[in-house]
Amino acid sequence: NAGVTQTPKFRILKIGQSMTLQCTQDMNHNYMYWYRQDPGMGLKLIYYSVGAGITDKGEVPNGYNVSRSTTEDFPLRLELAAPSQTSVYFCASSKGQDGSTEAFFGQGTRLTVV
Amino acid sequence: GDSVTQMEGPVTLSEEAFLTINCTYTATGYPSLFWYVQYPGEGLQLLLKATKADDKGSNKGFEATYRKETTSFHLEKGSVQVSDSAVYFCALHLRGSSNTGKLIFGQGTTLQVKP
Repeated sequence: NAGVTQTPKFRILKIGQSMTLQCTQDMNHNYMYWYRQDPGMGLKLIYYSVGAGITDKGEVPNGYNVSRSTTEDFPLRLELAAPSQTSVYFCASSKGQDGSTEAFFGQGTRLTVV
Repeated sequence: GDSVTQMEGPVTLSEEAFLTINCTYTATGYPSLFWYVQYPGEGLQLLLKATKADDKGSNKGFEATYRKETTSFHLEKGSVQVSDSAVYFCALHLRGSSNTGKLIFGQGTTLQVKP
């Protein structure tokens, strides 16, 4: 019963490097999300997707890109890493359209940009 | 805009003490309300929820009541344990024409329970 799986768990990037954070879920959820968690700031929505082939910006999308080619996968791309992107990233998925159902979260990716 | 405000932490309690973590919200519509918990090194998991006014969510001894008149959803537990040490997030979801399930989170409150 894997749920939402994120890789890697930890990563150190140099300024200007690129990377992709992987996220996959095995619950056949249509809705998927990427959040970042900064100390004392709660979680901020980066991008979300309501189904394969459909993505949209959240609250803090600058510096990131996403794609959703399958229901299961929702990778997050950082093209030119900056120190401001040092954060913990969480992928989540949910079944419900009305938000009253539970969102399931991955264990997170701790990213440091130096 | 829509937002969630939680009491600042850390909250430090002795085992078996009573816990309250305050949460208030501002919303343009009629939200569903949630408490999520994050144990050390893990992702968030749903603790409890309430979808309409006066509903009480409960789980693992924790409770929270949806108070529309005070726009609050305070988390309570009668007797905390060391294993309750975690970060607690209050969150809301707005219902409406653009239902996407996305959540708006408070800043989180760290709870430390000492034996």
